[in-house]
Amino acid sequence: GAGVSQSPSNKVTEKGKDVELRCDPISGHTALYWYRQRLGQGLEFLIYFQGNSAPDKSGLPSDRFSAERTGESVSTLTIQRTQQEDSAVYLCASSFEQGSTTEAFFGQGTRLTVV
Amino acid sequence: AQTVTQSQPEMSVQEAETVTLSCTYDTSESNYYLFWYKQPPSRQMILVIRQEAYKQQNATENRFSVNFQKAAKSFSLKISDSQLGDTAMYFCAFISNSGYALNFGKGTSLLVTP
Repeated sequence: GAGVSQSPSNKVTEKGKDVELRCDPISGHTALYWYRQRLGQGLEFLIYFQGNSAPDKSGLPSDRFSAERTGESVSTLTIQRTQQEDSAVYLCASSFEQGSTTEAFFGQGTRLTVV
Repeated sequence: AQTVTQSQPEMSVQEAETVTLSCTYDTSESNYYLFWYKQPPSRQMILVIRQEAYKQQNATENRFSVNFQKAAKSFSLKISDSQLGDTAMYFCAFISNSGYALNFGKGTSLLVTP
């Protein structure tokens, strides 16, 4: 596709349920990032994938959060046993290669509301 | 650790006027990049402008320019001839030359009024 695609656009879930968020990066982009944006806050780094290397999971806030990516394709972010504090916009970004010299392109995010 | 601070949660400017958004950062690294991103209500983060720390010349993109003061660790964004479509959240971001994840400030909400 022309840009980074995320689905669903919005998700309302009950506390305690599991949710899965999807990110389709730009074709050919080897690097993929997940960020969380709480209301009125900046973006918090969650996890980073680069090609077939082991992902950097240092930003994941708890073991309820996990993410997968197969090769350079789609990524899924899974939140188990959701809590109200998980309510946020989850943004995915991809870039042609890692680091500061290349532009990261963002998707429109998934707004997650836990009720 | 690198931190990015945006001290203006909200700002307002009249159409056609000029506005400056502030950003300061803290790092011990000497090689890094700074960015300003725009986030309209659609939530899509859009890169506005970027600055390489090793370049002394301030970056410019049409109506957008920066004032990069490396010694002061300051990176402000100036928007000239403000347009209604400039209404959005603006985020300052930092990445070191050896890093891969952007560090973001908390953002400034800019409202352009007619």
